[in-house]
Amino acid sequence: DIQLTQSPSFLSASVGDRVTITCRASQGISSYLAWYQQNPGKAPKLLIYAASTLQSGVPSRFSGSGSGTEFTLTISSLQPEDFATYYCQQLNTYPRTFGQGTKVEIK
Amino acid sequence: EVQLVESGGGLVQPGGSLRLSCVASGFTFSSYAMSWVRLAPGKGLEWVSGISGSGGSTYNADSVKGRFTISRDNSKNTLYLQMTSLRAEDTAVYYCAKNAYYYDSSRYAYYYAMDVWGQGTTVTVSS
Repeated sequence: DIQLTQSPSFLSASVGDRVTITCRASQGISSYLAWYQQNPGKAPKLLIYAASTLQSGVPSRFSGSGSGTEFTLTISSLQPEDFATYYCQQLNTYPRTFGQGTKVEIK
Repeated sequence: EVQLVESGGGLVQPGGSLRLSCVASGFTFSSYAMSWVRLAPGKGLEWVSGISGSGGSTYNADSVKGRFTISRDNSKNTLYLQMTSLRAEDTAVYYCAKNAYYYDSSRYAYYYAMDVWGQGTTVTVSS
């Protein structure tokens, strides 16, 4: 199975900060990576697919990059509604594994 | 409006069984693969099971192989997860998700993601 390792696991930041989350795959997955945002008690929300394509309706402050084994999610200017947990997911092979998550908290 | 609504969660004893359902609306259900994903207390998201649009192919995480069965009834726009031999570690909120596919003409490839999610149904395994 493909393992995904996110870093950091926790991130403390302020409104307006630029935030970057990294996701590393245990083997190459081309661009078959998606990013999700989840708030407590809510369903996950798709942000990015194909490593760098923004899902319709997602603010442009979110961006994704990478291919192969290393990927990043960047929030260019953190907004109050962005404090949440973020997950990467590989969709190259089954099982469709997720990273362990990165919780973005208010500093 | 595209919508997924799960049901069937509850409290069950270790070793027991439960069947979750997910009713889809607002899209052509049979055209899309579907998945079950869970979130255990204090843990991260875990992909559990997936099924093709026709139902002919199914996939499971190692943690549930031999215990959980995913299925679908396209005539009823409904996805199921039959869970048997339940353990305490199966306690979680279970989400169903629609598996979207996107064609990127610049890369000549299809890409996938889970673009629509239900609200979740809670399964608690405890004596």
